[in-house]
Amino acid sequence: RKEVEQDPGPFNVPEGATVAFNCTYSNSASQSFFWYRQDCRKEPKLLMSVYSSGNEDGRFTAQLNRASQYISLLIRDSKLSDSATYLCAVTLFGNEKLTFGTGTRLTIIP
Amino acid sequence: DADVTQTPRNRITKTGKRIMLECSQTKGHDRMYWYRQDPGLGLQLIYYSFDVKDINKGEISDGYSVSRQAQAKFSLSLESAIPNQTALYFCATSRGGEGYTFGSGTRLTVV
Repeated sequence: RKEVEQDPGPFNVPEGATVAFNCTYSNSASQSFFWYRQDCRKEPKLLMSVYSSGNEDGRFTAQLNRASQYISLLIRDSKLSDSATYLCAVTLFGNEKLTFGTGTRLTIIP
Repeated sequence: DADVTQTPRNRITKTGKRIMLECSQTKGHDRMYWYRQDPGLGLQLIYYSFDVKDINKGEISDGYSVSRQAQAKFSLSLESAIPNQTALYFCATSRGGEGYTFGSGTRLTVV
């Protein structure tokens, strides 16, 4: 089983819709969680950290479910500019190395 | 100027050649990383360094070496390039507990 798994998609979603992705992790000792956004042929950029209490930034909401070992990303009122690949990343306790999922590709359709 | 700068941006090289990819940062972070990205495989860690005197192998270090010349500089070398090292290479930096900042990447093609 991979350490971090994501549904690769693609998710094709109409503009204005709400879309959610999950990311599962295998190691219960995982400590820090992040969502990154990557545009085609560009570097990943940090979208948001995922805290135990959840995290919200405008139209984006991230949640952590430790019991089921997954994190989620919810995008409300999706925009054309949200089209990208979304990567989740996880670190283990006491270890700064990020392990990335393979990403979920999202396309927002006009 | 970018916080994390990678050079070159693109490179085509021949099998068997030695090539160095360079990374420099102005963020003042201690931790630096080299990843490669292949379609469908995601980002794979090659090497990482938590300070100038600390070098560690990642998941796929075979065929690669690194040098941490200073806190701000971390270079990746392919001693004898082979075609399956064709990939997009990213350097990243971090400070404890925070997410990474990535460079804009080096697209390497080995022919």
